[in-house]
Amino acid sequence: DVQMTQSPSYLAASPGESVSISCKASKSISNYLAWYQQKPGEAYKLLIYSGSTLQSGTPSRFSGSGSGTDFTLTIRSLEPEDFGLYYCQQYYEKPWTFGGGTKLELK
Amino acid sequence: EVQLVESGGGLVQPGRSMKLSCAASGFTFSSFPMAWVRQAPTKGLEWVATISTSGGSTYYRDSVKGRFTISRDNAKSTLYLQMNSLRSEDTATYYCTRDAYLFDYWGQGVMVTVSS
Repeated sequence: DVQMTQSPSYLAASPGESVSISCKASKSISNYLAWYQQKPGEAYKLLIYSGSTLQSGTPSRFSGSGSGTDFTLTIRSLEPEDFGLYYCQQYYEKPWTFGGGTKLELK
Repeated sequence: EVQLVESGGGLVQPGRSMKLSCAASGFTFSSFPMAWVRQAPTKGLEWVATISTSGGSTYYRDSVKGRFTISRDNAKSTLYLQMNSLRSEDTATYYCTRDAYLFDYWGQGVMVTVSS
């Protein structure tokens, strides 16, 4: 199975700041990587796919980068609604696997 | 608007069975593979199973093979997960998702607790 290592697991930031979340794959997954967000009481939401393509409706302050084994989700100028849980997922090969998650909290 | 609504969770004893359902609306259900993804308490996400559009192909993670069965009724726009021989490690919130290799829509989830 492809292991996905996500860091940090916890991140505290203030509105207006920029943050980055790292996701590393145990083997090359090309750009078959997605990022998800979950806010309390809401369903998981797909934010980014193919490593860097924004899903329809994802604000432009979100960006994804990377290919191969190293990927990064960056959120520029945090808004209050951005605080929650974030996960990466590889869809290069089954079983589809997820990173361990990052909890982004308000500082 | 795409909606996925899970039902059928609850408390079940180890070794017993439970069947989850997911009612889909807002899209042509029969045109999309579907999947179940779970999340154990305080743990990360874990893909469980996927079913093709017709139901003719199914895929499972190793830990549930032979115990879980994913199925669908395209006429009813409903996805199912039959879970047999349940174990404590199956305790989780189970999410119904649309599987486009990535998961572009998710339900709110249904909790399954396996405990005596």
